[in-house]
Amino acid sequence: DVKVTQSSRYLVKRTGEKVFLECVQDMDHENMFWYRQDPGLGLRLIYFSYDVKMKEKGDIPEGYSVSREKKERFSLILESASTNQTSMYLCASTLAAGSMNTEAFFGQGTRLTVV
Amino acid sequence: AQSVTQPDIHITVSEGASLELRCNYSYGATPYLFWYVQSPGQGLQLLLKYFSGDTLVQGIKGFEAEFKRSQSSFNLRKPSVHWSDAAEYFCAVGASGTYKYIFGTGTRLKVLA
Repeated sequence: DVKVTQSSRYLVKRTGEKVFLECVQDMDHENMFWYRQDPGLGLRLIYFSYDVKMKEKGDIPEGYSVSREKKERFSLILESASTNQTSMYLCASTLAAGSMNTEAFFGQGTRLTVV
Repeated sequence: AQSVTQPDIHITVSEGASLELRCNYSYGATPYLFWYVQSPGQGLQLLLKYFSGDTLVQGIKGFEAEFKRSQSSFNLRKPSVHWSDAAEYFCAVGASGTYKYIFGTGTRLKVLA
């Protein structure tokens, strides 16, 4: 069965901390994504990666970075967490590179609270 | 610019009633269209998708959606809602030539017993 796993369901971090959100997929997918979900705003793309060590900025990359050292793992990094980064973070993956006629598989989400 | 609009933020229906969730998109070419469902505290699960061919597509859990090019719509329907359908529903379009999915803002469905 297809699986995207996010390392934490809930996280509470302090302002200024460096935060790592981890995502692993077991489907040998090429594309991986990090979204942020906020009420009334839907899902907004932070970063995506179409290959190992390759990344592209999404719509709201400010304050975030990513790392993809292995095909199955995609990490989201908050360099210095701030309260406005309190949100639900969703990781997703898709099979095909260069085409969007394929469904995305999502992890269960990480609810991050920055205090 | 490409966009997806879900005009209804909240919808409440009684169990057993029919359901229609609206989705309108703005896209220059033939879009790849998706409906996802998100149960509380969970990630998104694909309900159905449209790429080409028959404009009425069937999905899981008894849902269907109809692609209407003339109206730029891809509305989700279910003839009889169950209490377990209470969730948030997202319409999305895959933007050809990019790696992006564009999501609507979601419709939260409440089901009354």
